[in-house]
Amino acid sequence: EVQLVESGGGLIQPGGSLRLSCAASGFTVSSNYMSWVRQAPGKGLEWVSVLYSGGSTYYADSVEGRFTISRDNSKKTLYLQMNSLRAEDTAVYYCARVGSAWAFDYWGQGTLVTVSS
Amino acid sequence: DIQMTQSPSSLSAFVGDRVTITCRASQGISNHLAWFQQKQGKAPKSLIYAASSLRSGVPSRFSGSGSGTDFTLTISNLQPEDFATYYCQQYNSYPLTFGPGTKVDI
Repeated sequence: EVQLVESGGGLIQPGGSLRLSCAASGFTVSSNYMSWVRQAPGKGLEWVSVLYSGGSTYYADSVEGRFTISRDNSKKTLYLQMNSLRAEDTAVYYCARVGSAWAFDYWGQGTLVTVSS
Repeated sequence: DIQMTQSPSSLSAFVGDRVTITCRASQGISNHLAWFQQKQGKAPKSLIYAASSLRSGVPSRFSGSGSGTDFTLTISNLQPEDFATYYCQQYNSYPLTFGPGTKVDI
């Protein structure tokens, strides 16, 4: 059974850094495209980043240069390193697997990041 | 960037109704469109990919159609567990973009 479990969220001051983790089971992280999607409180879904199986990465303009997506194949874990955090980065962060036909098929339960002083 | 719009933004319906949600892309995206269901406080759930292909385990009362710029999600015989917010999403090009959502309530 495919499962994605995020962790690492919390309260952080503006300008701070945080690393989110997404532990995967039931499939091989390195063989799939993996993505992060976020949702600000009471708002819609916003794509953040994707990591290809081959290692290529893409980012939303709003996080380019501040966030870095990566993975540890041995730990079957996807990461999102978030630096220079801003109040507008406050959101629930979901990891999602890109499945058949290039669309998201499985999502984690999310982890809340709150950027506030 | 490809902008996604949805209509209506919200609707009220009865159990047993047929509901149709429309999604429009600002430029052609072929059939690279997905639909997701999200209940309050929960993660999104994948319903449909490639505009009309149903994900495994999703009830057949859900269906999708469309290509190019105009797409629809139809829920026939609405059930109590279907009351949620529905999002469309294009995956034709980066940045991936979502519609603003359609809230379906009683």
